[in-house]
Amino acid sequence: NAGVTQTPKFRILKIGQSMTLQCTQDMNHNYMYWYRQDPGMGLKLIYYSVGAGITDKGEVPNGYNVSRSTTEDFPLRLELAAPSQTSVYFCASRNQGTGLSEQFFGPGTRLTVL
Amino acid sequence: GENVEQHPSTLSVQEGDSAVIKCTYSDSASNYFPWYKQELGKRPQLIIDIRSNVGEKKDQRIAVTLNKTAKHFSLHITETQPEDSAVYFCAASSETSYDKVIFGPGTSLSVIP
Repeated sequence: NAGVTQTPKFRILKIGQSMTLQCTQDMNHNYMYWYRQDPGMGLKLIYYSVGAGITDKGEVPNGYNVSRSTTEDFPLRLELAAPSQTSVYFCASRNQGTGLSEQFFGPGTRLTVL
Repeated sequence: GENVEQHPSTLSVQEGDSAVIKCTYSDSASNYFPWYKQELGKRPQLIIDIRSNVGEKKDQRIAVTLNKTAKHFSLHITETQPEDSAVYFCAASSETSYDKVIFGPGTSLSVIP
C-alpha cells in the first residue's frame, strides 16, 4: 500500500507557464483534497472531491482547476503560474464510508514560480 | 464558511512541562476535530481526533477537550519531550459541509531540553 503519492516532488516554473500536479491514492478513498501551505503558514484548502466526477471549491480556488475522473486520481492544474502560487502543495484522501475519519496526506510538491 | 483560529502561534516549554494549544471554530455544525503534527519538511500526520459527541479523549501523553457550547477545543501534551517539537494544527470538519476540512494557522511548539 503506497498510500497517497504526489509527483513531482519539486518544480520551478516561470511566470505564465502551466503545469499539472499529480496525486494518486491506492486506499480506495472516496474523498480527496488539495491544500497549499505557504512558508510558516497553515494549510489552505484549494479544491476537494467527494467522489469521481464531483469536485468543489475550497478556501483559495482562484488560479487552479481540478478533475476527478477516477477514484484514485485527483490532479491539480495551474494555469498561468504567478509568484503568489509559490508554495508547498499537499494532496490528501479520506474514507468517508466509515464515518468521520482522518485524512492521509501525500509527501507534498514544492513549487516555485519565478 | 468555517473559520478556525488557533493560539498561541508559538510556544516554548521546558522538557517535562505541559503544553496547551487552543482552537476556536465558527460553524456550529462542525462535528469532527482532528489534530495534526507536522515535523519540519514532512507531511502532516494525525495525532488525535475527537467527535462532537465526546467531551474529552486521551491517548497516553496527549489529550483533547471539546466545549461545543463555546465552540472551542484544546490539545494538551503532558511530560513534553524534545521529539514533541513540531508544528501542530487543529482542524474542523462537518458532514453538512461535505466534509471540507478547514485548518487553523498552526502552533510551533519548541521543547527545550
